[in-house]
Amino acid sequence: NAGVTQTPKFQVLKTGQSMTLQCAQDMNHEYMSWYRQDPGMGLRLIHYSVGAGITDQGEVPNGYNVSRSTTEDFPLRLLSAAPSQTSVYFCASSSKRGTGSTDTQYFGPGTRLTVL
Amino acid sequence: ILNVEQSPQSLHVQEGDSTNFTCSFPSSNFYALHWYRWETAKSPEALFVMTLNGDEKKKGRISATLNTKEGYSYLYIKGSQPEDSATYLCASGPGSGNTGKLIFGQGTTLQVKP
Repeated sequence: NAGVTQTPKFQVLKTGQSMTLQCAQDMNHEYMSWYRQDPGMGLRLIHYSVGAGITDQGEVPNGYNVSRSTTEDFPLRLLSAAPSQTSVYFCASSSKRGTGSTDTQYFGPGTRLTVL
Repeated sequence: ILNVEQSPQSLHVQEGDSTNFTCSFPSSNFYALHWYRWETAKSPEALFVMTLNGDEKKKGRISATLNTKEGYSYLYIKGSQPEDSATYLCASGPGSGNTGKLIFGQGTTLQVKP
């Protein structure tokens, strides 16, 4: 298993450009999430999904869109990049086991995004 | 928004010292508490998931306890080693059921000096 993969690893954008960060997992996990990591702020949840076709907002959703057309993929779209979106982005997935126990989250390697 | 707080923000100890950190979370609507270890330039890796009040988990020299009634969890490292240097994150899942949604604290960064 490759686990959780993210592409690209690094990206530089100009203000106003759009792009999509890719995330894929091959563990058949139901749950997938996007986080951003900024200095001194830990991980903040952007959007998450409980299964194909179902997404919801996290703490900091503004400026980002997501969709979940398959179990494996959960892309994050930046519609019009702003310098405030300079960050490291992590995708994570987890599986629901049994009757509702919360499984650990598996993280991808991260995408380092700079918006000029 | 669920508020998860960690203290201290950073910690410097000598090799061999034992240490502990605190994670506090709202005790109402609790579902699960996670601890992750995050080394520089890597991805966070899971240490423990705890759901029951009084839970204690152990992995080698690292252990954790959970008090859901008062809303805190402690992470202990016995006999710290330089390879324990990392940021330790805790995260809580809200009580809306198992959605895979976690709210993270800001982390405690541990530096162990040889």
